[in-house]
Amino acid sequence: DARVTQTPRDKVTEMGQEVTMRCQPILGHNTVFWYRQTMMQGLELLAYFRNRAPLDDSGMPKDRFSAEMPDATLATLKIQPSEPRDSAVYFCASGLVLGKSDTQYFGPGTRLTVL
Amino acid sequence: AQKITQTQPGMFVQEKEAVTLDCTYDTSDQSYGLFWYKQPSSGEMIFLIYQGSYDEQNATEGRYSLNFQKARKSANLVISASQLGDSAMYFCAMRELDTGRRALTFGSGTRLQVQP
Repeated sequence: DARVTQTPRDKVTEMGQEVTMRCQPILGHNTVFWYRQTMMQGLELLAYFRNRAPLDDSGMPKDRFSAEMPDATLATLKIQPSEPRDSAVYFCASGLVLGKSDTQYFGPGTRLTVL
Repeated sequence: AQKITQTQPGMFVQEKEAVTLDCTYDTSDQSYGLFWYKQPSSGEMIFLIYQGSYDEQNATEGRYSLNFQKARKSANLVISASQLGDSAMYFCAMRELDTGRRALTFGSGTRLQVQP
């Protein structure tokens, strides 16, 4: 049963600290997405990779956030320095683009609390 | 720009009854995909069903079916024979296909509570 995995599941940190979230996409999938969920904004896209290349990071605060895919089995999202307003659940999702049909499968999320 | 609207913040349904969760969308693309996800209290996002704008038949997956009305730009989720385990948040999402942008745009969600 292939699944997207994310670590850590929960993270509590203090303002100013660096936070790194990791995602292992489903083996064989060629797209990876980072979404953020908050009560106020709902679910919003932060970054999108296809074949490890970043295609869209327009939703990501550039000054403090960075997203990378060092290899096909690992995607990372870093926040440096973290701020209380970054508190949210961060989801990673992966999909396989086949023509026009591609379903995104979500990981369990990382719940981030910045004090 | 694409937009998803879910007008029902919360819904109640009796166990074993059917329930319809509303979703309307707005897009200028001719080709697009519509998705429904379930988010139980544990927090994970579970894919339920997909409908392509080019599909002639409404999608079905077990107890889930999608009532797709293209002219009205609606993609309502129908859950038949509700179960207690169906209590969760339900999100409608869309992806535009013409632009090649693969990211999903989500609605605000509907919280469904199934009562015994």
